[in-house]
Amino acid sequence: QSVLAQPPSVSGAPGQRVTISCTGNNSNIGAGYYVHWYQQLPGTGPKVVIYDNNIRPSGVPDRFSGSKSDASASLAITGLQTEDEADYYCHSYDDSLNGSIFGTGTKVTVL
Amino acid sequence: EVQLVESGGGLVKPGGSLTVSCAASGFTFSKAWMSWVRQAPGKGLEWVGRIKTIREGGTTNFAAPVKGRFTISRDDSENTVFLQMSSLKREDTGVYYCITRLQDIWSWGQGTLVTVSS
Repeated sequence: QSVLAQPPSVSGAPGQRVTISCTGNNSNIGAGYYVHWYQQLPGTGPKVVIYDNNIRPSGVPDRFSGSKSDASASLAITGLQTEDEADYYCHSYDDSLNGSIFGTGTKVTVL
Repeated sequence: EVQLVESGGGLVKPGGSLTVSCAASGFTFSKAWMSWVRQAPGKGLEWVGRIKTIREGGTTNFAAPVKGRFTISRDDSENTVFLQMSSLKREDTGVYYCITRLQDIWSWGQGTLVTVSS
C-alpha cells in the first residue's frame, strides 16, 4: 500500500457534521503509528488541524476532532462553516516504505 | 518560531537535473529528521524521501518512484537540507515541500515549484 484510502469528496450544509475516513493496514495505521490531518486551501500549503490521532493545535477550532481505531482513522467537522471548504489529507508512517504515507485526499464542499 | 524556507525550484528539461534547498530556523536542526513531500498540480501529497541526523548516519530513504534518481543531503553548519534530482521526468513536476516533526507536530515550508517540460 503506497497511499491511505480516503473518500474523494464529502459535503454538508452549514452547521452539519461531516466525517472523513482514512483507511490503512497493519504496516501503517494498524501498526500503531499516529495519524495527522491537514487542511489545504487552494493555492496554499497544508495546515495541521489534528496531530497524534486526536490533538488539536492551538488556534484550530474545536469543531475539528480526530479518532483512530485499528487500521483506520477519522476526521470529524461539526458545525460545518463555509471557511472549512478545502482539501483534507491524512498522514501516518509506514513500515514497508520506511517513511511517511499520505491519504488520497478528500474535498469538503459546504453546500 | 519554526521556519522552513524552500528555494531553487524552476523549469528543467526532461532528463535534466535540479537541486532544491530548504533553510531551517527556530529549532535544533542537527537533531531533526528532514523529509521532502511533493504535490503534482491538482493531485495529492506524496512522500519523496527522508534523511536522518548525522549522528544516526545521515541515512536516507526514498519512495519507489524516485529511488535511484533523487538524493537528499544536509549541511548542519548551514541548517539546510538539499534534494538533488536527476533524470527528471515530466511526472516529477510539482510543488516540493520540506517537512519535519518537532514536539509531535509536523511543520511545513511554503514549497518550491519544479516544472519538468521541454
